[in-house]
Amino acid sequence: GQQVMQIPQYQHVQEGEDFTTYCNSSTTLSNIQWYKQRPGGHPVFLIQLVKSGEVKKQKRLTFQFGEAKKNSSLHITATQTTDVGTYFCAGPSKAAGNKLTFGGGTRVLVKP
Amino acid sequence: EPEVTQTPSHQVTQMGQEVILRCVPISNHLYFYWYRQILGQKVEFLVSFYNNEISEKSEIFDDQFSVERPDGSNFTLKIRSTKLEDSAMYFCASPYRTRGYTFGSGTRLTVV
Repeated sequence: GQQVMQIPQYQHVQEGEDFTTYCNSSTTLSNIQWYKQRPGGHPVFLIQLVKSGEVKKQKRLTFQFGEAKKNSSLHITATQTTDVGTYFCAGPSKAAGNKLTFGGGTRVLVKP
Repeated sequence: EPEVTQTPSHQVTQMGQEVILRCVPISNHLYFYWYRQILGQKVEFLVSFYNNEISEKSEIFDDQFSVERPDGSNFTLKIRSTKLEDSAMYFCASPYRTRGYTFGSGTRLTVV
């Protein structure tokens, strides 16, 4: 079945530094979605990318969808303590129901 | 912004007991999903529900699990005989336009 993998599993970042988390799917995706889950919270939708090679920005967050539509990345610049949480990528299946398959997530810890 | 409401927020139950988790999804949506997340792990798909029927279920969703829509708004997940390994956060989700999934705040199930 479809698998979605993310690296790194953990990211320790000094406040103010940049980092990137990567997402890879075993199958081509119609779109890729990113979610953020704060500690003790629920996943919150951040963005959806649809087009091959698409790049979208949300303030300090830059999301990219690969040319082959099988990989994606999230780059955060000038990390802040508010960025703490786990970032998940997720891709829809082609089967009926359109369920999302989530990656394992990158847990981000920020050192002040 | 539409919300997905889940109750209870925390449920403690003895092994072997039945539990019912409740969700009020975004109104007028035909697709609903249940996911679970074991502490510190990935978000795992359980079941999708479309037009009052199960459209897809995962290997986790065995005979001990069932979903129902007892009335026009509520959406329930029942675990007939809970096991220790059922301890997890259970999330209900509805897709919302191009804004991915809207997740409820979840029910933390603790089986003792």
